[in-house]
Amino acid sequence: GIQVEQSPPDLILQEGANSTLRCNFSDSVNNLQWFHQNPWGQLINLFYIPSGTKQNGRLSATTVATERYSLLYISSSQTTDSGVYFCAVEKSAGGTSYGKLTFGQGTILTVHP
Amino acid sequence: NAGVMQNPRHLVRRRGQEARLRCSPMKGHSHVYWYRQLPEEGLKFMVYLQKENIIDESGMPKERFSAEFPKEGPSILRIQQVVRGDSAAYFCASSRTGSEQYFGPGTRLTVT
Repeated sequence: GIQVEQSPPDLILQEGANSTLRCNFSDSVNNLQWFHQNPWGQLINLFYIPSGTKQNGRLSATTVATERYSLLYISSSQTTDSGVYFCAVEKSAGGTSYGKLTFGQGTILTVHP
Repeated sequence: NAGVMQNPRHLVRRRGQEARLRCSPMKGHSHVYWYRQLPEEGLKFMVYLQKENIIDESGMPKERFSAEFPKEGPSILRIQQVVRGDSAAYFCASSRTGSEQYFGPGTRLTVT
């Protein structure tokens, strides 16, 4: 199956710092999503980004599908950004979407005040 | 537009009992997915359903686990004769088109 690797596994920041999280994947994808799992365990959609660049407030993401990686940028981090960030992909199957997401192991982000 | 609803949020079962987890997709979404998050294994796909059909169950354990998404009502993930290893967070997701998926808050199953 498709492999998804996220780096770094852990990240500790002071409030106000910027960070970049990386997601590498081993095959062509139909779908790529970034999620934030908050300390209460809920999975929050951040971006649906199989290719290109998107921005939402302090967060932005870029996927370079031809080189099989995606980046999540967090600027001016806040304590509420703490949690686990997951990248998840759906392997491409000739244009057909089967919906099965494969998750990376996540990046644990801790933001200190 | 309400999000994906799951209930119960927490479920405690003794070994050997049955667990039933419910998922109501977002309005207008006909694609439903179940994932399991085990403490040391991360989030894993279990099953993908559309109304009355199982599309992909490649991630479901072969025994004791079943899923359905009837014409009316929520999707149900059923675990028979639970064991301690079934303790996990079970997430449901839904999609309108089979692309972007939206996740519910999860059901935390504890088997004692």
